[in-house]
Amino acid sequence: DTAVSQTPKYLVTQMGNDKSIKCEQNLGHDTMYWYKQDSKKFLKIMFSYNNKELIINETVPNRFSPKSPDKAHLNLHINSLELGDSAVYFCASSRQGGMGTEAFFGQGTRLTVV
Amino acid sequence: KQEVTQIPAALSVPEGENLVLNCSFTDSAIYNLQWFRQDPGKGLTSLLLIQSSQREQTSGRLNASLDKSSGRSTLYIAASQPGDSATYLCAVTRTGNQFYFGTGTSLTVIP
Repeated sequence: DTAVSQTPKYLVTQMGNDKSIKCEQNLGHDTMYWYKQDSKKFLKIMFSYNNKELIINETVPNRFSPKSPDKAHLNLHINSLELGDSAVYFCASSRQGGMGTEAFFGQGTRLTVV
Repeated sequence: KQEVTQIPAALSVPEGENLVLNCSFTDSAIYNLQWFRQDPGKGLTSLLLIQSSQREQTSGRLNASLDKSSGRSTLYIAASQPGDSATYLCAVTRTGNQFYFGTGTSLTVIP
């Protein structure tokens, strides 16, 4: 039973389109995240979100927006896709931050913008 | 701002060798340090979590140590196997919920 699941696993789309990536966790965690992994494999935080607070990395373009219908889901919406958005996007979850907070990651969504 | 560095960036060893991967971080005010493994085209698998009050954690052939004051952690892999080939990432957390990731070490174990 997958703890953090993302769909789709692969997404190929044209420039200018709007797309969404879905994420669900069944761990009962309070906090969910979106990370972007670039071509050099470096993981960079995009958002962290719990039911109280959304923290946005200031470098993330406002074309990217997280949407959380409930505590177990955090979807990523991307408007007006650009070539530079091509990357692997990872969803993760954890308990509320603090000592012993362990992160669990999904399998990633490879986005290719053509 | 927290910066996390991993050395070496790539490592190739023959099967059976013991090896050490290094992780350093600039801000010692951390809550936790977590080691992950990433296989090509896959997600991240959590290997070990060390809380800031702990010195080390062990799981099977893996042992992770933490020296918070010097901003360093090591991941020791005993008797390496070809199946250990992957990219190993460390991440630290401090106040708030953000995980800061290192640049990763790509490990190849040669049969």
